[in-house]
Amino acid sequence: DVKVTQSSRYLVKRTGEKVFLECVQDMDHENMFWYRQDPGLGLRLIYFSYDVKMKEKGDIPEGYSVSREKKERFSLILESASTNQTSMYLCASSATDGLTYEQYFGPGTRLTVT
Amino acid sequence: AQSVTQPDIHITVSEGASLELRCNYSYGATPYLFWYVQSPGQGLQLLLKYFSGDTLVQGIKGFEAEFKRSQSSFNLRKPSVHWSDAAEYFCAVGARGFQKLVFGTGTRLLVSP
Repeated sequence: DVKVTQSSRYLVKRTGEKVFLECVQDMDHENMFWYRQDPGLGLRLIYFSYDVKMKEKGDIPEGYSVSREKKERFSLILESASTNQTSMYLCASSATDGLTYEQYFGPGTRLTVT
Repeated sequence: AQSVTQPDIHITVSEGASLELRCNYSYGATPYLFWYVQSPGQGLQLLLKYFSGDTLVQGIKGFEAEFKRSQSSFNLRKPSVHWSDAAEYFCAVGARGFQKLVFGTGTRLLVSP
């Protein structure tokens, strides 16, 4: 089975802190995604990576950056956390095989910024 | 660009009753369509997907969905709901050659005894 893991299920940080959210997948997928999930807004794409060291902005990249140094790992960085970044963060991965486009999700990290 | 509308924010269904969750998409060409389920505190799990061919697709947990091009819809159905089906359901649309999916805002299903 495809497994996508996220470093923390729950995280509490203070305003202004630098926050790292880590995501690891074990299926050698080329593509990895970071989403933010808020009630009533569904999933919104923050960043997308289609290869090592490659990234593409999603719909809401402001206040976030990403890093992908290894194929299996995709990190989301909040340079200076703010209270409006309190949310559920979901990581996903998918293969570039032209066949499925299915995304596999991790369990999520619920981040609270106080 | 693709877009997805899930018009129902919440739906309450009695256990044993049938279920239909609505999904409408906007895309000029043939879309790829997905339904995901998210149980409380969990990530998203794929229920079913449509790429081409038979417009009625079967998924896991007894769910099915029908692609209707004329109505730009991909509604999710289940003939008899179980209490364990209470969750949030997301419809998503993708396109050939593009790895990104666009998700709807979700429908929360409540199951009453």
